[in-house]
Amino acid sequence: DQQVKQNSPSLSVQEGRISILNCDYTNSMFDYFLWYKKYPAEGPTFLISISSIKDKNEDGRFTVFLNKSAKHLSLHIVPSQPGDSAVYFCAALRELQGAQKLVFGQGTRLTINP
Amino acid sequence: NAGVMQNPRHLVRRRGQEARLRCSPMKGHSHVYWYRQLPEEGLKFMVYLQKENIIDESGMPKERFSAEFPKEGPSILRIQQVVRGDSAAYFCASSPGANYGYTFGSGTRLTVV
Repeated sequence: DQQVKQNSPSLSVQEGRISILNCDYTNSMFDYFLWYKKYPAEGPTFLISISSIKDKNEDGRFTVFLNKSAKHLSLHIVPSQPGDSAVYFCAALRELQGAQKLVFGQGTRLTINP
Repeated sequence: NAGVMQNPRHLVRRRGQEARLRCSPMKGHSHVYWYRQLPEEGLKFMVYLQKENIIDESGMPKERFSAEFPKEGPSILRIQQVVRGDSAAYFCASSPGANYGYTFGSGTRLTVV
């Protein structure tokens, strides 16, 4: 049962343009949604998050949008830079017994072309 | 301030051997989470531990897998009698408490030959 889905395995964007990564979820009980960035041979690095009661959160070049009615969130990166090339994971968090259990999507490989 | 340290970075085991993966959380962090990433998939939750306690092991396979986080020393993920399907990247994360401040380690890549 895939509760968090990233339907695009890969995305290629020209440097300077906007990158839009998408994520869908099925469980309405999630408390937060997070985006992680992962380089090869490294662990995921937290990028940005959004509470389930918000619809937008912005941090520099990164903005996350949440559409609760559609159970959809997206990460916008603008302008895209070569260093943004990585695998991006969408994750949903639910607090259970005080634990912060993350449910991850399959990831989207973003390639920024010069 | 060192991050979450996992070792070894790479581990090769023959089928039937045991694999031990170690995770030292960040200083001051008493909560440890283990995740597994199979090829071409996202990370899947395995187990959540606090010092000397397993809080949630709902993602652990029922057999051959165990985890501990002793009072002293690193957290250990143990896989007995490894099979080819155990080949994956195993990531540990730690947090100072029940909040969403996860920090991941660089992972251990287990290859079963």
